[in-house]
Amino acid sequence: GAVVSQHPSRVICKSGTSVKIECRSLDFQATTMFWYRQFPKQSLMLMATSNEGSKATYEQGVEKDKFLINHASLTLSTLTVTSAHPEDSSFYICSARGRLAGGPTDTQYFGPGTRLTVL
Amino acid sequence: AQSVAQPEDQVNVAEGNPLTVKCTYSVSGNPYLFWYVQYPNRGLQFLLKYITGDNLVKGSYGFEAEFNKSQTSFHLKKPSALVSDSALYFCAVRDPSSGGYNKLIFGAGTRLAVHP
Repeated sequence: GAVVSQHPSRVICKSGTSVKIECRSLDFQATTMFWYRQFPKQSLMLMATSNEGSKATYEQGVEKDKFLINHASLTLSTLTVTSAHPEDSSFYICSARGRLAGGPTDTQYFGPGTRLTVL
Repeated sequence: AQSVAQPEDQVNVAEGNPLTVKCTYSVSGNPYLFWYVQYPNRGLQFLLKYITGDNLVKGSYGFEAEFNKSQTSFHLKKPSALVSDSALYFCAVRDPSSGGYNKLIFGAGTRLAVHP
């Protein structure tokens, strides 16, 4: 079964509105969570990394005021796309690093992704 | 700087034949290497990883990968391909000596198409 969940799986919004995406680690505590963006037929681009209770570390070129990350607990991280515009339309994937009981150590598990469409 | 190369955009193979998806890497230290698979409109699923030990790593769904330090490669293999293996495959590397959050660096991805 899934070890990382994302909600919503798909969202359509109007330009100028804000959208929040939740990422939860199931059955394990995530020491670190990551947010990626993926354009059609392209690889994953890391946007930011966060530890619980700490400010997120953003990759170069990613606007921290536009993509707000809150890592509220060891099992929950949220990404808020503020004042969304059509160019923000993309597939957003979160990932959590931790150890699942009986699983390999130090592995990153990925959520199913959220398809954001900004009209 | 860390980098990963997947030289093939697409690999085509007939069902029942062996498959190989290539990956080469560049890191300054000893690499942690990973393979993930992505089905349409889904997140990534972990297949296998190499950290240390035996160079041949066995993973999920019958896949395996061989770490070759001299060639800096970590090719993904399966002895007999299934149509259901058709998906997008990503190789990733992490350099644990790089400090910080040891982020994964992904290759561009290789689309595997298995034909009946």
